[in-house]
Amino acid sequence: SAVISQKPSRDICQRGTSLTIQCQVDSQVTMMFWYRQQPGQSLTLIATANQGSEATYESGFVIDKFPISRPNLTFSTLTVSNMSPEDSSIYLCSADRETGELFFGEGSRLTVL
Amino acid sequence: GESVGLHLPTLSVQEGDNSIINCAYSNSASDYFIWYKQESGKGPQFIIDIRSNMDKRQGQRVTVLLNKTVKHLSLQIAATQPGDSAVYFCAENREDSSYKLIFGSGTRLLVRP
Repeated sequence: SAVISQKPSRDICQRGTSLTIQCQVDSQVTMMFWYRQQPGQSLTLIATANQGSEATYESGFVIDKFPISRPNLTFSTLTVSNMSPEDSSIYLCSADRETGELFFGEGSRLTVL
Repeated sequence: GESVGLHLPTLSVQEGDNSIINCAYSNSASDYFIWYKQESGKGPQFIIDIRSNMDKRQGQRVTVLLNKTVKHLSLQIAATQPGDSAVYFCAENREDSSYKLIFGSGTRLLVRP
């Protein structure tokens, strides 16, 4: 079955800097999504990464803060811009299987000091 | 250490007993539901799914029950094992948002030896 790889798996960043997280799927997928999981919380959908067009953001998330790219059917990036300690979270990439279920990467654990 | 599940409701069961994890969903238009298991330091892992035209679906040691009247979903785990210790999330797919899953708040399952 398809596998999602995320890089970096974890990072510690300084306030005010930006970090780009990469998501690579080992087979072509139709839909890719980015979720955030704050400490001790559930998953919140940030945006749908659309291939060849601008991402579709959920309420409370904006492109300037979380720019997303999806240049092809197997790869996407999420950038967390101008980070603050409140951005410390696990960021998860997901993609759809042909059956409709979403599968996830292991996540990128971000700590902002 | 991993903070996933730190602030979530906890269900503690004896090894070998059956576990029942409950979830209430909000949107009566949701037509597809998935249970995910998230172990410490990992991304969510698919367990079982059910569509709204079904009331019950069984897998290996797991059963999902759907009550559309009261918008309630449950996951039953038979003969719970230590490896079942994790955080469990239900997720719903809303009819008007293809493949976009909205996650519930989660329950932490602890299996006592």
